[in-house]
Amino acid sequence: GAVVSQHPSWVICKSGTSVKIECRSLDFQATTMFWYRQFPKQSLMLMATSNEGSKATYEQGVEKDKFLINHASLTLSTLTVTSAHPEDSSFYICSYDRGPNQPQHFGDGTRLSIL
Amino acid sequence: GENVEQHPSTLSVQEGDSAVIKCTYSDSASNYFPWYKQELGKRPQLIIDIRSNVGEKKDQRIAVTLNKTAKHFSLHITETQPEDSAVYFCAAIASYGKLTFGQGTILTVHP
Repeated sequence: GAVVSQHPSWVICKSGTSVKIECRSLDFQATTMFWYRQFPKQSLMLMATSNEGSKATYEQGVEKDKFLINHASLTLSTLTVTSAHPEDSSFYICSYDRGPNQPQHFGDGTRLSIL
Repeated sequence: GENVEQHPSTLSVQEGDSAVIKCTYSDSASNYFPWYKQELGKRPQLIIDIRSNVGEKKDQRIAVTLNKTAKHFSLHITETQPEDSAVYFCAAIASYGKLTFGQGTILTVHP
């Protein structure tokens, strides 16, 4: 069964809206979670590493003030896309792993469409 | 940081044929190499993985080989079936835990 719960699965909203995406680990206390973005017909690109109880680590080129990450508990990380614009439309997906050299478990993803 | 190159970008085979996808990586510290299958609109699913202390691993019709010296690894699918059609991603992970994906290969298996 699923070990990562991500929702919502699909969001359509107007430009300028802020959207929050939740990622819950169901069977593991994950101190670290990862957020990826996937544009159509492209690969998954790591956006940031979410660290429980501390600030997220963002990849180069990802605006930390636009993509707010909160990892307040060992089972929940949230990604908020602030003031979303059409170019933010993408497939956002979270994951976590159980330790070094372990497979990552992915959420079902959130398809975000900004009109 | 790590850079993973994946080829080919598209691969079309007849049912029953074999399919091979190749990847190279740049960071010699990378020590874990998973392969994912992603169907349209769905999350990536792990199909096989290999660690740097192993040169080859097989699971039924799927096998992965790793050449650490050359920094490349390959996915081999034998006796392909139409349901194998999907996008396949290789990935590499270093000890610091970040997963870097290849560009993806669209595999089409024709009945």
